[in-house]
Amino acid sequence: DTAVSQTPKYLVTQMGNDKSIKCEQNLGHDTMYWYKQDSKKFLKIMFSYNNKELIINETVPNRFSPKSPDKAHLNLHINSLELGDSAVYFCASSQDLIQGRGNTEAFFGQGTRLTVV
Amino acid sequence: AQKVTQAQTEISVVEKEDVTLDCVYETRDTTYYLFWYKQPPSGELVFLIRRNSFDEQNEISGRYSWNFQKSTSSFNFTITASQVVDSAVYFCARGTSYGKLTFGQGTILTVHP
Repeated sequence: DTAVSQTPKYLVTQMGNDKSIKCEQNLGHDTMYWYKQDSKKFLKIMFSYNNKELIINETVPNRFSPKSPDKAHLNLHINSLELGDSAVYFCASSQDLIQGRGNTEAFFGQGTRLTVV
Repeated sequence: AQKVTQAQTEISVVEKEDVTLDCVYETRDTTYYLFWYKQPPSGELVFLIRRNSFDEQNEISGRYSWNFQKSTSSFNFTITASQVVDSAVYFCARGTSYGKLTFGQGTILTVHP
């Protein structure tokens, strides 16, 4: 069983289109994330949700809208795609720990390679 | 911004050599978490280790070992007797108490047969 699964794995689309990437985790984790990896391999957090509540929004253009229907799912919708949105998008999840001990390690999906042409 | 710096962009070694990947972090937090992830050519991100800021004990797992030194804000990763399958991009990351990871730039490790 795949712990964190994203679909699709590859997405090629034209500028101006709207697209969605889906993510599901079967680990029972409370927190889910979206990270973006650019062409230089740099990884940067975009959003995180804890029990369906937005916790982190890292100055991402509002063309990007995450949606969490339940704590096992965190989808990413992108409007009006631009060339600069081409990247690999990773979904991840982790478990809150009690008593201020933070979160467990994040488990990542296999990534979605988005190419905007 | 509190950065994570991996000064080595690329490292190339021959199989069976030992190799150390450096990681230096910045933080204003009293409590924080440090991680290493591996990204093989297939592209997925594989968790290797998590350390808490209040636990400076070093760790060994097979051919992998990690040296955490708060005094120098470093969390270095050593692979002993490297193998071709170790070729990957390795990322160091610092985590906050609410789960946000700040990654270093990554170190590309190539192990030649």
